Amino acid sequence: AQSVTQLGSHVSVSEGALVLLRCNYSSSVPPYLFWYVQYPNQGLQLLLKYTSAATLVKGINGFEAEFKKSETSFHLTKPSAHMRDAAEYFCAVSRSNDYKLSFGAGTTVTVRA
Amino acid sequence: KAGVTQTPRYLIKTRGQQVTLSCSPISGHRSVSWYQQTPGQGLQFLFEYFSETQRNKGNFPGRFSGRQFSNSRSEMNVSTLELGDSALYLCASSPTGGPIDGELFFGEGSRLTVL
Repeated sequence: AQSVTQLGSHVSVSEGALVLLRCNYSSSVPPYLFWYVQYPNQGLQLLLKYTSAATLVKGINGFEAEFKKSETSFHLTKPSAHMRDAAEYFCAVSRSNDYKLSFGAGTTVTVRA
Repeated sequence: KAGVTQTPRYLIKTRGQQVTLSCSPISGHRSVSWYQQTPGQGLQFLFEYFSETQRNKGNFPGRFSGRQFSNSRSEMNVSTLELGDSALYLCASSPTGGPIDGELFFGEGSRLTVL
């Protein structure tokens, strides 16, 4: 079975500060990894995904994530937080021919002015 | 291009009733998947359909069922509702199926409250 663990259910950052959201995965085979964002009362939107093409993945809204096999991690970062980044963020994993995502518990980001 | 449309957006039911939720995927998308989101269990996969065939199913009781029509629209049904079925039900569509081959586009969800 594959799963993801997100460390920290809540993260609070100041506007302009670094955003770092942690995600570790457990998988017997190289997984496909994703980060999604959910704004209040909305569905999920894909930020970025890792599919083994490159270990550093750049996504939308200035986010990026680095796949580290040795650490089984796929942490999400953004150099400078903006108020609009306040949302819930989910790390997810999938396998080929699986047709489903397995999500982490989510991390709620609060941005302080 | 219209996004994924889910109806109804909000509904309230009582225990023992049944409910049907509808999802219209993005035009041209043939895969539709369903997820349940609750504060306690988070996001959990229900099932995925492609060209009217269920290709994968999550670990939910048989009270949860779904189907897909020839126009790719999908419905999910929950029978004999329980309080624990209160959740946001999210539908997602993709062109050929699965998050690997293409991005999953999510709808805004149907929020079910069971009293």
